Amino acid sequence: AQSVAQPEDQVNVAEGNPLTVKCTYSVSGNPYLFWYVQYPNRGLQFLLKYITGDNLVKGSYGFEAEFNKSQTSFHLKKPSALVSDSALYFCAVRDDSNYQLIWGAGTKLIIKP
Amino acid sequence: DGGITQSPKYLFRKEGQNVTLSCEQNLNHDAMYWYRQDPGQGLRLIYYSQIVNDFQKGDIAEGYSVSREKKESFPLTVTSAQKNPTAFYLCASSQGPTGNTIYFGEGSWLTVV
Repeated sequence: AQSVAQPEDQVNVAEGNPLTVKCTYSVSGNPYLFWYVQYPNRGLQFLLKYITGDNLVKGSYGFEAEFNKSQTSFHLKKPSALVSDSALYFCAVRDDSNYQLIWGAGTKLIIKP
Repeated sequence: DGGITQSPKYLFRKEGQNVTLSCEQNLNHDAMYWYRQDPGQGLRLIYYSQIVNDFQKGDIAEGYSVSREKKESFPLTVTSAQKNPTAFYLCASSQGPTGNTIYFGEGSWLTVV
């Protein structure tokens, strides 16, 4: 079955330190992978996606994600965290059966000053 | 500004009432979606539409209904058959089938009183 997992409910990082939010996936074909961010009481905002090409994808607000086919992972990263990065982050993968997105449960990122 | 407009932001429903959430987009997107988000959980797909006058059930369609009479509009009706409707509802759109980026509205809170 196709699925996506975000193994951490919450990640705590000090401001200025690098951050990583983890995502692993399982799909039958080539993966289409996405990261979104949600601030409290708001809709989701697109950060970046991987469809094909370079394994390192750069996105909005200084975020990037590394696609690793052998580990079936698509971790979100940022070299230096900001307090304003504190939010809920969602990973998603396309379901090949109906082309809809399968969503992870979300990871709450807390950046401490 | 181009985007997706959801209204109302907050809605209260009495037991046994049907309510309709509005979603309008001016992005000229073909596909539109409705998701439900419960606190601390990920997104679950209610309905989606890839073209005018056509729509498909998602994972949790029971107790909900939609229409797609115009390309820019995709209203969601929460019927009295939905036993636990209190949630955050998100409308989204994309240029075509997923693989293309999905863009979200700001969401609507529905509370049963």
